[in-house]
Amino acid sequence: EVQLLESGGALVQPGGSLRLSCAASGFTFSNHAMTWVRQAPGKGLEWVSGISTSGGSTFYTDSVKGRFTISRDNSKNTLYLQMNSLRAEDTAVYYCAKALFGVVPFDYWGQGTLVTVSS
Amino acid sequence: SYEVTQPLSVSVALGQTARITCGGNNIGSKNVHWYQQKPGQAPVLVIYRDSNRPSGIPERFSGSNSGNTATLTISRAQAGDEADYYCQVWDSNTGVFGTGTKVTVL
Repeated sequence: EVQLLESGGALVQPGGSLRLSCAASGFTFSNHAMTWVRQAPGKGLEWVSGISTSGGSTFYTDSVKGRFTISRDNSKNTLYLQMNSLRAEDTAVYYCAKALFGVVPFDYWGQGTLVTVSS
Repeated sequence: SYEVTQPLSVSVALGQTARITCGGNNIGSKNVHWYQQKPGQAPVLVIYRDSNRPSGIPERFSGSNSGNTATLTISRAQAGDEADYYCQVWDSNTGVFGTGTKVTVL
């Protein structure tokens, strides 16, 4: 059974940093691209970042470029999102998701971890 | 950046057919994927590459894509189909979600 378990969400002050993790199991992690998608309270889905199977290619939405870094450790079956210079508008539930093939679509999702940026 | 628009809401009578559109410039040239999200839950992929259903998704869900509009069709709508639905494309190395459509089954 495919499982994706996010962790690391917290309340953080504006300008602060946070590192999200996503522990994967039930599939060959190194064979699939992975992604982070977020959802602000009461809002729609927003794609944040994606990473290729090897980690050699990374992709970001414009609003997080230069502030967020996606990475993966295939030996630990874990996906990461390092978030720096956090802003109030980064407040959201962050989901990690597994790509079915290529970089989209996403066939399995975690349950999400809440990041709140507030003073 | 590429923009994808969806109607805010669609209502459908129980047992009837709902159609949810996803509009974008020449979206017919792209692969469109659709997700269903119920309150408090993670999204679920219901259609990929315009018209393909993942295993476990009922045949009542179908998709099409041509010109500037992609469409998700829910046939014989059930109460359990009430949810938010999002289309998605990949453009210029970024994932783009539609604005989302709330489907209400009357």
